[in-house]
Amino acid sequence: EAGVAQSPRYKIIEKRQSVAFWCNPISGHATLYWYQQILGQGPKLLIQFQNNGVVDDSQLPKDRFSAERLKGVDSTLKIQPAKLEDSAVYLCASSLVITSGDYNEQFFGPGTRLTVL
Amino acid sequence: AQSVTQLDSHVSVSEGTPVLLRCNYSSSYSPSLFWYVQHPNKGLQLLLKYTSAATLVKGINGFEAEFKKSETSFHLTKPSAHMSDAAEYFCVIKAAGNKLTFGGGTRVLVKP
Repeated sequence: EAGVAQSPRYKIIEKRQSVAFWCNPISGHATLYWYQQILGQGPKLLIQFQNNGVVDDSQLPKDRFSAERLKGVDSTLKIQPAKLEDSAVYLCASSLVITSGDYNEQFFGPGTRLTVL
Repeated sequence: AQSVTQLDSHVSVSEGTPVLLRCNYSSSYSPSLFWYVQHPNKGLQLLLKYTSAATLVKGINGFEAEFKKSETSFHLTKPSAHMSDAAEYFCVIKAAGNKLTFGGGTRVLVKP
C-alpha cells in the first residue's frame, strides 16, 4: 500500500518569497493534516481537512499561510511571504474519516524541509 | 487543555541495555496516549497506543509502555536496545476530533 506522498523533499528560499508544498494522502483517507515541525520541537498541527472542508485551522497563521484541498484528495500548503521563522519541516498526514471518539491512526509522509534565508 | 511533557531531550544507551523514555501527561479526562518514532528522513510511525484498555501496552519492535494514572505518566521501555532504535521518539496525547498534541521529543543514541 502506498504511503503519504509529499513534494518537494527540500526547499531553500529567501525571506519574502513564496513557496508551496504538495501532499497526496493514502487512497481512501478522508482526513488530511498539515503539521509544522521546528528543529528540536514536536510537530504542531496547522490545519485539518475532512474531505474538502476545513475542520480546524486555529493554529494556521492566516496572514501568510494558506491551504486547500479542492477535490478532497491531494492538498497544497502555501506560504506567502516567507519569514525566517518559517524554517521547519512541514509534515502531511492522513487518516480515515473521523466518526467517533476512537482514534483513527494518522499516517505521516516524509515531510518537506524548508530553509528560509 | 491536554498536554504531554517528555522529561529527557536526549538519552544515550549502550546496545543490549534497557531503554527508558519518560513522559508525563496532563488531562482533565481519561486520555488517549501514544508513542511515535521518527527515524532520520522518514515519516513518523506509530509505536503503540493506550486507549483506556490494558494499562500495559505492547508495541512494535519490542517496545512497551505503562499507563499510570496515579503518577500521570506513560513511560516507554525496551529491555534491550538495538542499533536500529536510534531515532527521535514522541509522546503524544489525543484531543477531540482526532487531533494530536506532541511532546518535545527524546532523541535516542545507541552506542555499540
